[in-house]
Formats: sequence, structure tokens, C-alpha cells
Amino acid sequence: DIQMTQSPSSLSASVGDRVTISCQASQDISSYLNWYQQKPGKAPKLLIYDASNLETGVPSRFSGRGSGTDFTITISSLQPEDVAIYYCQQYDFLPLTFGGGTKVEIK
Amino acid sequence: DVHLVESGGGLVQPGGSLSLSCSASGFDFASHAMHWVRQAPGRGLQYVSSITIDVTSTNYADSVKDRFTISRDNSRNTLFLHMNSLGPDDTAVYYCVKDREPYNWKYFDSWGQGTLVIVS
Repeated sequence: DIQMTQSPSSLSASVGDRVTISCQASQDISSYLNWYQQKPGKAPKLLIYDASNLETGVPSRFSGRGSGTDFTITISSLQPEDVAIYYCQQYDFLPLTFGGGTKVEIK
Repeated sequence: DVHLVESGGGLVQPGGSLSLSCSASGFDFASHAMHWVRQAPGRGLQYVSSITIDVTSTNYADSVKDRFTISRDNSRNTLFLHMNSLGPDDTAVYYCVKDREPYNWKYFDSWGQGTLVIVS
């Protein structure tokens, strides 16, 4: 199975800060990577697909980049409503696999 | 709006069986692959199973293979997950998830609210 490793596992930042989360695949997955946001007590929501494409309705402060084995999601200006756990997920190989998640909190 | 409503969760003894259902509305159910994803309490997301629109292909995580069966009834807009030989590690919220694709498993683009399965 493809292992997806996210870092950090948690972070605390101030409102307005730029925040970057990393996701590393155990082998080359091209750009076959998605990002999800899970707010407390809620189901996950697709944020970014194919590594860099913003899902409809997602604020433009979110962006994604990367290909091969190294990917990032960036929040350009952290807002209180961005408090959540963020997961990456690859779909190049079966079984589909998720990263362990990164918890984002407000300082 | 896409609406996915899971049901069938509950408390089951180890070694027991349970069947989950997911009622879909707000989109053309028969044109989208579907998935089950689970989340153990306080843990991350774990892929469980996928099915194509015409049931020609299914896939399972190794941890549930040969114990779980995914199926669908396009005439009833319903997705199912039949679970056998349940163990404590199967305790989780089970999410029904829609894919954007019909035959490829790529994007978990809409999620239900989840149904809790407790094996104890």
C-alpha cells in the first residue's frame, strides 16, 4: 500500500498567518492527490483535487501544489473557521490511502 | 444538493454481523462510483471499500477483505455495506461517500454524516 505521511501532525498559528502542511507519498503518485478538511464533529470535505485544483466554493486562500512524492497545502491567511484536521489522499494506487492528518488550531 | 444518509449502525458483539445502508438523493446515483470510508474514535480516515456504477468492479482495504461486501441498488439509490466477523478494530464511524467518477475511484467529493458502529 502507498503510505502517505503528513507533517506536522499538529500546528498552532495566529489568525492571518501563512500555514503550510506537507504530505509525502511512499512512491511516485504523479498529481493524483486530494486534500480534505474535517471540522470538529463534521464529515470531511473535499478541498483540493489533483494536487492543485480548488474545489468549487473553497476560499482562494487555500492552495495546493506538488507532484511525484511531495505535496503541500497552504492557507495564505489563516482564519478562525479554518480550524480543522486536514488529510491528504492518493488515488494513483489501490487501495486508496489517506495521510494521518494535520490538526490546525488558532494560537 | 447531494444528500447521503447512512443507517444501520449500532452495537454488535465481536464476531457478529451488521449491514449498513446509505440512501442517496440530489444527484444521479447510477452515474457515480461510491465508497465507504471509516474513522475510528479520535483517529484518522481509513478507506474501506469502493464500487463502480455497474458493480463490475469492487475494491476493499486489506483489513476488511473477505469480511465486508459492498453493493448497490441503483433503482433504489442505495449503497450497502455488509459486514461479517466484526472485531473491536472495526469500531468506527462509517461514512458513505460519493465519487465524481463513474468507473474510476478518485475523488471523495460528497460525504454523508456517518453512522457509528461499535463492536463490543
